[in-house]
Amino acid sequence: EAGVTQFPSHSVIEKGQTVTLRCDPISGHDNLYWYRRVMGKEIKFLLHFVKESKQDESGMPNNRFLAERTGGTYSTLKVQPAELEDSGVYFCASNLAGGQDTQYFGPGTRLTVL
Amino acid sequence: SQKIEQNSEALNIQEGKTATLTCNYTNYSPAYLQWYRQDPGRGPVFLLLIRENEKEKRKERLKVTFDTTLKQSLFHITASQPADSATYLCALVNNAGNMLTFGGGTRLMVKP
Repeated sequence: EAGVTQFPSHSVIEKGQTVTLRCDPISGHDNLYWYRRVMGKEIKFLLHFVKESKQDESGMPNNRFLAERTGGTYSTLKVQPAELEDSGVYFCASNLAGGQDTQYFGPGTRLTVL
Repeated sequence: SQKIEQNSEALNIQEGKTATLTCNYTNYSPAYLQWYRQDPGRGPVFLLLIRENEKEKRKERLKVTFDTTLKQSLFHITASQPADSATYLCALVNNAGNMLTFGGGTRLMVKP
């Protein structure tokens, strides 16, 4: 069974540009989560989808971040316009049952904003 | 504010010894606590989950304890091996949410 995949693995962009990160969860997993880790800090929650609906987006830092999950399969996270402080590693995770179910993480996308 | 603390300094131990990692939290009432392992360039990998009404959980060479009075979890790896070298993260989930709240992680180095 394929795990959670993320694309790209690395992205280097300039301040003010737009970047779109993609996450493909494990097939059949209704729950999809985005997290990020900025340099020197802990991994922090961004948002949670159940199928195509946003269940919790309390961790989204500001309106420059837009997450979508059309059709309830893969998800995209767009940053527009990117700022220097957006640099970090963005992780996606998925699980079947939400709640106490184990979350399976992807390898992350390392975003560098210059 | 909610805070989860793990020793940010690396833990260096000799192969065969028991590694003990600590996770302390404040201003939080978790329903359960999870431990993850993270290797460089990879995402966290789930290891163990322990619920608030459980004192101890074991899985092979791993043991987790959870003391809600002390607001602390201890993570033990017995008979440690160089392959156990990684960063170990604790994460909490409260009753209200599905999201994980992570500590900063502790890097473990097991020397042969």
